[in-house]
Amino acid sequence: SQTIHQWPATLVQPVGSPLSLECTVEGTSNPNLYWYRQAAGRGLQLLFYSVGIGQISSEVPQNLSASRPQDRQFILSSKKLLLSDSGFYLCAWAPGTGINYGYTFGSGTRLTVV
Amino acid sequence: SQQGEEDPQALSIQEGENATMNCSYKTSINNLQWYRQNSGRGLVHLILIRSNEREKHSGRLRVTLDTSKKSSSLLITASRAADTASYFCATDATQAGTALIFGKGTTLSVSS
Repeated sequence: SQTIHQWPATLVQPVGSPLSLECTVEGTSNPNLYWYRQAAGRGLQLLFYSVGIGQISSEVPQNLSASRPQDRQFILSSKKLLLSDSGFYLCAWAPGTGINYGYTFGSGTRLTVV
Repeated sequence: SQQGEEDPQALSIQEGENATMNCSYKTSINNLQWYRQNSGRGLVHLILIRSNEREKHSGRLRVTLDTSKKSSSLLITASRAADTASYFCATDATQAGTALIFGKGTTLSVSS
C-alpha cells in the first residue's frame, strides 16, 4: 500500500535561518506531488506541485522553493525564513496517470518562525 | 487563487442531527472533492464527484453537484461527535497540469 511520510512534525526556527522540509512517498511510481500551506484557521494555499523529477510548478512567488531530486521525494526549502512563513505545511500525492483521483496528505509540519 | 468557497464557515449541531455544507466555485471543473481535517492533522479524502455526476453516496455522506450553478453540497447524516472537524471542498480545474484548489473550509462541531 502507498504511504506518505512528512517530517519534522514541528519546527521552531529563527527569522533568517534556512528551512528544509522533506516528503517521501512509498508504494507508487511517478506520483504527482504537492506542497500546500495552511495559515491558522484558514484554507490551503497551493505552493508548488511536481509531475516528475526536476519538474516544479510554482503557484505563489515567495520566499520558498521546491525540488524533486528523486521520483518519490519532494523537498520544500528556504534560504532565509520570514515571520510570514509560519504555518502548517502539508505535502500530498496523487497518481500521475490522469485526473479524477483524490489526494493523500501527509501529517503536516507545524512551522513557527520566531 | 481561490476557487471553492464553503458555506457556512462554522456549524454547530447535536449528535444525531444532519449537517449540510455547501461549496461554490468559479470555473469549469473535471471533478469536485471533499476532504476532512481533524485539528492539527493532515487532510483525509472523503469523496470525489465527477463533473458528469449529480449525486454520490459513501456511508453517511451524500454529495451533490450542480454544474449549472457551480455548486456542491455535502450532507452528513446522523452526525456523531467524532464528525467534529473542518471540511473542505476542492476543485480540479479543467486546465491540464493544474492542482486541486481548496476552499477555506467549514468547521463542524457536533456535541453529544
